[in-house]
Amino acid sequence: DTGVSQNPRHKITKRGQNVTFRCDPISEHNRLYWYRQTLGQGPEFLTYFQNEAQLEKSRLLSDRFSAERPKGSFSTLEIQRTEQGDSAMYLCASSLADPGQGTYEQYFGPGTRLTVT
Amino acid sequence: TQLLEQSPQFLSIQEGENLTVYCNSSSVFSSLQWYRQEPGEGPVLLVTVVTGGEVKKLKRLTFQFGDARKDSSLHITAAQPGDTGLYLCAGSSNDYKLSFGAGTTVTVRA
Repeated sequence: DTGVSQNPRHKITKRGQNVTFRCDPISEHNRLYWYRQTLGQGPEFLTYFQNEAQLEKSRLLSDRFSAERPKGSFSTLEIQRTEQGDSAMYLCASSLADPGQGTYEQYFGPGTRLTVT
Repeated sequence: TQLLEQSPQFLSIQEGENLTVYCNSSSVFSSLQWYRQEPGEGPVLLVTVVTGGEVKKLKRLTFQFGDARKDSSLHITAAQPGDTGLYLCAGSSNDYKLSFGAGTTVTVRA
């Protein structure tokens, strides 16, 4: 089991540019989550997928943000027209949603650090 | 605004000492997780607690979930430099969204 992977690990971009991040979840996990973490804070929920369906989006996710999980495996998070306030660590997590288990433990990737200059 | 309040914000202790980190909320959670995060990395899951009053022990770490499922604590016995990191608690009142505290930065000096 290779765990959750994210690419790139670091991204520096100029304000106004578009960026795209990729997340590969643990292979048997059917749920995938995106969080954002700024300095001195815990991660904040952005959105999540069950298989290929995007089931909830946070109000933090402005219309410049879009996430996809086209085949229910990897996911991409795109930010259009980046702003300096988008600078943060973007974390991806995955879990196995099993109603019989009753818990949905989320396992995080190493994150993508975005810096907007 | 964080739904979960963690205290203290920073903790620096000598190797071999004990420490306790607290996580409090006015909300009831169906489950609560503790994570440890190192600089530049993602959080690593330590434990999940789901039953009010539950106590779980992992080697030198003891986790407790409050009876009302609104608060939790993490106690480390005989801390080691390898325990250094940011400790995050995260609660869930549904089956998908985690709400995190701001974290407690623990430094264990050799």
